[in-house]
Amino acid sequence: AQSVSQHNHHVILSEAASLELGCNYSYGGTVNLFWYVQYPGQHLQLLLKYFSGDPLVKGIKGFEAEFIKSKFSFNLRKPSVQWSDTAEYFCAVNGADQGGKLIFGQGTELSVKP
Amino acid sequence: EAQVTQNPRYLITVTGKKLTVTCSQNMNHEYMSWYRQDPGLGLRQIYYSMNVEVTDKGDVPEGYKVSRKEKRNFPLILESPSPNQTSLYFCASSPGQRARKLFFGSGTQLSVL
Repeated sequence: AQSVSQHNHHVILSEAASLELGCNYSYGGTVNLFWYVQYPGQHLQLLLKYFSGDPLVKGIKGFEAEFIKSKFSFNLRKPSVQWSDTAEYFCAVNGADQGGKLIFGQGTELSVKP
Repeated sequence: EAQVTQNPRYLITVTGKKLTVTCSQNMNHEYMSWYRQDPGLGLRQIYYSMNVEVTDKGDVPEGYKVSRKEKRNFPLILESPSPNQTSLYFCASSPGQRARKLFFGSGTQLSVL
């Protein structure tokens, strides 16, 4: 069965620090990969997605993620975080032959100190 | 304004009393889905629908029902709610027949006593 693992449950950084949030999935076939963000009091919104092509994907607000097929990973990065990046981040995977099934990770809460 | 509308936002009920959480989208999306969010578990998919009259189970479908009679609506039905269904529920929709870009509703906080 598909599963998604996010290694860090809670990350605390100071402003301007670099960010990397880990995401690993277990699925043997072709995958579509996503990162969603949930700001405090708001609903989830798409940060970036990977379907095919360049494994380095750029999203909104300066975020990027790299798909490494051999490591079954899709880590999220940002060179310099801001206080406004404080939110919960979710990685999600859809197997290409899984229809509309979408599996989310447990989420990583990011707190950025001003 | 393009949006996914869920109602109600908050609901407190008792064990065994049937309830329905409504979800409606105005973006003509084919794909709709329901999730529950629990601390430490992230979001878990309950059911999804790739088009009208087509529904499939997600990871945690037990105790829930859905229907997709019209493209815009995808209600979640709890026939006999139990306390372990206390959770935050999200409805989402996406263009196409897969979850390519989900637009989420504001959530429904359900408490089953």
